[in-house]
Amino acid sequence: QQQVKQSPQSLIVQKGGISIINCAYENTAFDYFPWYQQFPGKGPALLIAIRPDVSEKKEGRFTISFNKSAKQFSLHIMDSQPGDSATYFCAASFVSGYNKLIFGAGTRLAVHP
Amino acid sequence: DAGVIQSPRHEVTEMGQEVTLRCKPISGHDYLFWYRQTMMRGLELLIYFNNNVPIDDSGMPEDRFSAKMPNASFSTLKIQPSEPRDSAVYFCASRRTSGGNNEQFFGPGTRLTVL
Repeated sequence: QQQVKQSPQSLIVQKGGISIINCAYENTAFDYFPWYQQFPGKGPALLIAIRPDVSEKKEGRFTISFNKSAKQFSLHIMDSQPGDSATYFCAASFVSGYNKLIFGAGTRLAVHP
Repeated sequence: DAGVIQSPRHEVTEMGQEVTLRCKPISGHDYLFWYRQTMMRGLELLIYFNNNVPIDDSGMPEDRFSAKMPNASFSTLKIQPSEPRDSAVYFCASRRTSGGNNEQFFGPGTRLTVL
């Protein structure tokens, strides 16, 4: 009930291509779905987040697509750049109350020039 | 703002020794989280505090681990005695209660190696 499953584990994309990372959750009560980006030697940092009342959120080259009925959400990175090479984590939690983020296992993205 | 501050950044110790990791959250943040990151298990929440009170410590692996938050600007995670399987990167994160914003701000982490 508390798991968030993330795929793929690793991803190689050419510069300018589209990177797609998928996540699935089980608990239908989750109402906050963030993506965190982590560079080597650094802590994760919030990249973009979505609430289930919308199906898509876009910030620059980064888009979250959310499918509430399928309990899935995905991160799309358009025009991927070598600087996007990092590990990406999806997560889920509850907005209200004592919430804790349930993280996916992470996807290591490498964008080749 | 300086962000979440963790010390030390790297710690190498021998099995059986006591290890203390330190964290200073962002000023004004009322939630503090301790995470452990390993290749095998990913990012795991160990414990979190709200207003200096431990709320959920279900992720603490065993009694060798303990965490305290004596005031709003300081927290420690202690491992005693340490074991090689405790080798990992430990992150501290903090968050401010506000309407609809759940962003957790992570520190740079402490890389712990137990020989």
